[in-house]
Amino acid sequence: AQSVTQLGSHVSVSEGALVLLRCNYSSSVPPYLFWYVQYPNQGLQLLLKYTSAATLVKGINGFEAEFKKSETSFHLTKPSAHMSDAAEYFCAVSDPNDYKLSFGAGTTVTVRA
Amino acid sequence: DVKVTQSSRYLVKRTGEKVFLECVQDMDHENMFWYRQDPGLGLRLIYFSYDVKMKEKGDIPEGYSVSREKKERFSLILESASTNQTSMYLCASSSPSYRDRFGQFFGPGTRLTVL
Repeated sequence: AQSVTQLGSHVSVSEGALVLLRCNYSSSVPPYLFWYVQYPNQGLQLLLKYTSAATLVKGINGFEAEFKKSETSFHLTKPSAHMSDAAEYFCAVSDPNDYKLSFGAGTTVTVRA
Repeated sequence: DVKVTQSSRYLVKRTGEKVFLECVQDMDHENMFWYRQDPGLGLRLIYFSYDVKMKEKGDIPEGYSVSREKKERFSLILESASTNQTSMYLCASSSPSYRDRFGQFFGPGTRLTVL
């Protein structure tokens, strides 16, 4: 069984500052890992994913995440926050032999001018 | 562009009513999913389907049923709506061929309020 823990339900950053969103997973098999973003009143959009290739994954809008097996983590970062990054972010884990996703509780990001 | 559409953005129903939430995808995806999203709980899987007329329970199927008569359409049914089913409902689809590259594609969601 897979599960995800996102540390921090709300993160507030200044425009231009580093964005760091934490995700730790639990999985009985080597996992696939995903980060999704949800803008207000919209569905979820895939930011990036790890599927057993390179451990440093680059996604859209300048985001990247690093898979660290020893720490069971898949933290999301962006070097410089933009106002348009204000959204809710979800980490998700999947068994590679399955198509279901298990989601974390989500982290809401606000960006201060 | 892959498009997943949901029949309503907002829906208000009364307790005890039968409610249908419809989802249509235009990418010929085999897999379709229904989630509910609640603050602080993230997304929880209600039901999913790997093929036409096939369905499997997710993590929270109680009070819900589904129907998949055509590949592109996946319906979520609340047989007798209750106030604790007030939530945001999200539909998603994916293909085994493209899952590793694209993950699941989500619709815009239906915000259901049960009075």
